[in-house]
Amino acid sequence: QKEVEQNSGPLSVPEGAIASLNCTYSDRGSQSFFWYRQYSGKSPELIMFIYSNGDKEDGRFTAQLNKASQYVSLLIRDSQPSDSATYLCAVNRKNRDDKIIFGKGTRLHILP
Amino acid sequence: DGGITQSPKYLFRKEGQNVTLSCEQNLNHDAMYWYRQDPGQGLRLIYYSQIVNDFQKGDIAEGYSVSREKKESFPLTVTSAQKNPTAFYLCASSSFGTGPIGAFFGQGTRLTVV
Repeated sequence: QKEVEQNSGPLSVPEGAIASLNCTYSDRGSQSFFWYRQYSGKSPELIMFIYSNGDKEDGRFTAQLNKASQYVSLLIRDSQPSDSATYLCAVNRKNRDDKIIFGKGTRLHILP
Repeated sequence: DGGITQSPKYLFRKEGQNVTLSCEQNLNHDAMYWYRQDPGQGLRLIYYSQIVNDFQKGDIAEGYSVSREKKESFPLTVTSAQKNPTAFYLCASSSFGTGPIGAFFGQGTRLTVV
């Protein structure tokens, strides 16, 4: 079982709709969870982090965490063409072995 | 400006050559990381370091070497033992702090074998 799993997509969403991106992780000791956006040919950019169960909102973005189900999601409201990118989920165990592990990413395409 | 600087942006390596990728950060972060990204793949961890003079292998360390002599610097050497080095290499840093802060990335180095 991969440590961090994401559907590779592409996920196509009409402009103005809600895009929903999902991620599961295998290590129950994971404590911190991150969403990165990566445009083609560029480096990843941190857009959200969450470490408590529930929802965290920042502008058009909402991160959701369910530790019991080992599930993290990212919702993008009012999707814009500029949101078209690959979204990477990352997990950190925050202990002595402090690796940050990334999923393969989900390609999101916003249809104008 | 605080940030992470990787150099060079593009690098060409001949067969059998060792090359070194530079990564410098002025964010005063404790931890630094090297990832490799291939087309259609996510980020795979090569090496990471939590403190000066200490580093750990990631999932794909074979054919690579690193050093951490200064907090600000974490160079990666791609040795001739790495048989398929063509990829996008990303350096990142993070701070342990008291809460999650995530990793911040440099602009990347695109390495091509010629």
